[in-house]
Amino acid sequence: GENVEQHPSTLSVQEGDSAVIKCTYSDSASNYFPWYKQELGKRPQLIIDIRSNVGEKKDQRIAVTLNKTAKHFSLHITETQPEDSAVYFCAASWGSGGGADGLTFGKGTHLIIQP
Amino acid sequence: KAGVTQTPRYLIKTRGQQVTLSCSPISGHRSVSWYQQTPGQGLQFLFEYFSETQRNKGNFPGRFSGRQFSNSRSEMNVSTLELGDSALYLCASSLGLAGSPELFFGEGSRLTVL
Repeated sequence: GENVEQHPSTLSVQEGDSAVIKCTYSDSASNYFPWYKQELGKRPQLIIDIRSNVGEKKDQRIAVTLNKTAKHFSLHITETQPEDSAVYFCAASWGSGGGADGLTFGKGTHLIIQP
Repeated sequence: KAGVTQTPRYLIKTRGQQVTLSCSPISGHRSVSWYQQTPGQGLQFLFEYFSETQRNKGNFPGRFSGRQFSNSRSEMNVSTLELGDSALYLCASSLGLAGSPELFFGEGSRLTVL
């Protein structure tokens, strides 16, 4: 089955700086890569996703890049703000994109924004 | 519209007992998936149901089971509870159709096994 490795487990950055979280996956058939954000005590929510036919996707201060050859993808957050503090999960899926379809999550990165 | 609802939110059980958790998906969503969340282990996939059929299954022992009803509500059951089953159990619903992969999570059921 799919295996998703996520690094680092904890990341502390100064407010205003950039943060990068990296994930690798094992199954070359994976074609969908979402990122979920979970604030303390709240439910995970999708913040951005990318499909295997796209190399990069951006949405305001967040962006995701995908390298299919190396089987890794990254989340980039620029101009970090206090509300970015949360646990971020990457995931990979081999399915057609409907439902969970074999969605495998990484273990999460606790992002801490220092004032 | 209403979000994903999970009940109960908190429960305490003892080893050997069994537990049933419930999940009501967003109206119109036909896929319900379940995840176990523990510190340091992230979100581990248990199973997914679509139109009352189990469509995918993770690597959990047979003590973990689930089902989905015709109204898309889902239940998961854990029998013969072990201390290691203490976790936050999250369910997520989605349309379950190709091109609509976003998962909408509930707030979870926090299970403590003593």
